Amino acid sequence: GNSVTQMEGPVTLSEEAFLTINCTYTATGYPSLFWYVQYPGEGLQLLLKATKADDKGSNKGFEATYRKETTSFHLEKGSVQVSDSAVYFCALRLIQGAQKLVFGQGTRLTINP
Amino acid sequence: DSGVTQTPKHLITATGQRVTLRCSPRSGDLSVYWYQQSLDQGLQFLIQYYNGEERAKGNILERFSAQQFPDLHSELNLSSLELGDSALYFCASSVGLAGGRWDNEQFFGPGTRLTVL
Repeated sequence: GNSVTQMEGPVTLSEEAFLTINCTYTATGYPSLFWYVQYPGEGLQLLLKATKADDKGSNKGFEATYRKETTSFHLEKGSVQVSDSAVYFCALRLIQGAQKLVFGQGTRLTINP
Repeated sequence: DSGVTQTPKHLITATGQRVTLRCSPRSGDLSVYWYQQSLDQGLQFLIQYYNGEERAKGNILERFSAQQFPDLHSELNLSSLELGDSALYFCASSVGLAGGRWDNEQFFGPGTRLTVL
């Protein structure tokens, strides 16, 4: 089947620290990969995406590279801010068939000043 | 603001009851998706509608049903509620089929938090 596994949270960092949130996937077909962010009391927002192998998605200083050989899509940011505190979800969507998103379990990130 | 609206924001009800959650998609979007976010199951896809027709079904219980109306808003009906149905229910919308492709961005609403007591 199709599934996404994220690193266990919660993750707590100091401001300006380097962030990595690991994400690996299993897919029966060729997926597109996404990172969504959920701020407190809000819905999910698309943070970045990549649709084919070796693509790098980037937005707001966050980056993730689609690695087909390791079936991974790790999220990174060089210098986190307090405003980055949120829950981050890795997700996949198959190109063919149903357009449903398959999500990882989410990683809660807290940045301390 | 994603442009997707959901009502109500919060809903508290008792076991055995029935509730209806409402979603209005972004202007111009034909496709609506429902997802459930619970502590034990995480974020799961329930069902998708496109232009009034059911297009895909996920892990949706038989006690749950949904529909999409001619004005494209959608309702998720949950009946014979159990404690385990307590969750955050998200609606998302997308254009659906565009340029021959279905894989267009999904925009999420703020969710309806359902508490079953």
